[in-house]
Amino acid sequence: AQRVTQPEKLLSVFKGAPVELKCNYSYSGSPELFWYVQYSRQRLQLLLRHISRESIKGFTADLNKGETSFHLKKPFAQEEDSAMYYCALGEPGNQFYFGTGTSLTVIP
Amino acid sequence: KAGVTQTPRYLIKTRGQQVTLSCSPISGHRSVSWYQQTPGQGLQFLFEYFSETQRNKGNFPGRFSGRQFSNSRSEMNVSTLELGDSALYLCASSPQVGTVGNTIYFGEGSWLTVV
Repeated sequence: AQRVTQPEKLLSVFKGAPVELKCNYSYSGSPELFWYVQYSRQRLQLLLRHISRESIKGFTADLNKGETSFHLKKPFAQEEDSAMYYCALGEPGNQFYFGTGTSLTVIP
Repeated sequence: KAGVTQTPRYLIKTRGQQVTLSCSPISGHRSVSWYQQTPGQGLQFLFEYFSETQRNKGNFPGRFSGRQFSNSRSEMNVSTLELGDSALYLCASSPQVGTVGNTIYFGEGSWLTVV
């Protein structure tokens, strides 16, 4: 069963505009959720994890258990934010389920 | 610290052959997991090893296998290659601080093309 859903494959926003990348999950217990980012020609890297509740590069994500969502947000998009973003759910034993990813393009 | 290192980075194999991919985790990381990434299926979990023991296995056929050595380095093997095995194979390591919520750190991957 699909555990992580990212409904948008492609997302384009103008520089300075707010951006929201959607992520919904399906999990019966307490989910451990992450956002990973892959910039052009770079490896997949952690952007943020919900358990630490920190803001990285201006991005935040709030876990909404009622809506089973973990949307990624940034108030003002920058050109360097253009990348592929993956939402992921981590299970015990480091088994991760990844969404299909959203390709974000920030238009200058 | 050096990041997760995977070798080889690129390889081409013929259908029916087998292939072995290698992964060196970040120093001190004892958990190593493998993922297959394809345009159609995205990132899919293959298996995870911790202290030389396979703890989890994804939904892949038995042709896909792996192992972990005492120094935490890991290898994965794919036997009797099929065209559909063409993919980017990613290795990730984790410090395994707790049972859940551990961050995994990825290597650059090994690009396998089966012809």
